[in-house]
Amino acid sequence: GQSLEQPSEVTAVEGAIVQINCTYQTSGFYGLSWYQQHDGGAPTFLSYNALDGLEETGRFSSFLSRSDSYGYLLLQELQMKDSASYFCARFNQAGTALIFGKGTTLSVSS
Amino acid sequence: EAQVTQNPRYLITVTGKKLTVTCSQNMNHEYMSWYRQDPGLGLRQIYYSMNVEVTDKGDVPEGYKVSRKEKRNFPLILESPSPNQTSLYFCASRSPDRGPEAFFGQGTRLTVV
Repeated sequence: GQSLEQPSEVTAVEGAIVQINCTYQTSGFYGLSWYQQHDGGAPTFLSYNALDGLEETGRFSSFLSRSDSYGYLLLQELQMKDSASYFCARFNQAGTALIFGKGTTLSVSS
Repeated sequence: EAQVTQNPRYLITVTGKKLTVTCSQNMNHEYMSWYRQDPGLGLRQIYYSMNVEVTDKGDVPEGYKVSRKEKRNFPLILESPSPNQTSLYFCASRSPDRGPEAFFGQGTRLTVV
């Protein structure tokens, strides 16, 4: 299978750090990507990990461990505007299409 | 400006009345996809296309058709819409040179009554 599992909801306060986990089935796995979607808006690309390790882009970082079939998105110095849904995604086996997890809704409070 | 444009943004229609949602991209991307988004189910792929005249089914293709006659356009056709197709639809495009970085349209909120 090619499914992805992530928590449905996460809550945090401004200034905190939050980690959103994603586990995947290993069949035909190329790498893990992350998307952000504000309520009702278009998903936007955040990051991609093809290799093990941490990729950092400003306040956001993404991590992949192929041996554990697991990755996460780390958001630091949380701001109210980070309240959104976050999706992990992977390619299908042919590498021609993106498959998304069901998404994690992050609520940041003051 | 690089963009994916969907039309219409909102549509209310009746069961059985054929409709088309258009999608156009100006980035010369080879790959285009349609997704539907429903609460608690995330983004589920309906159809995707690797290039002109090359399409394939995604996870939920039943009740939908697509065509890719030109590289920039990828319309989604509902021949006989039913209420269970009420959803938020997104079109996306990407280049194989840019890996998983897909660009999404603003969405079409469809209600079938």
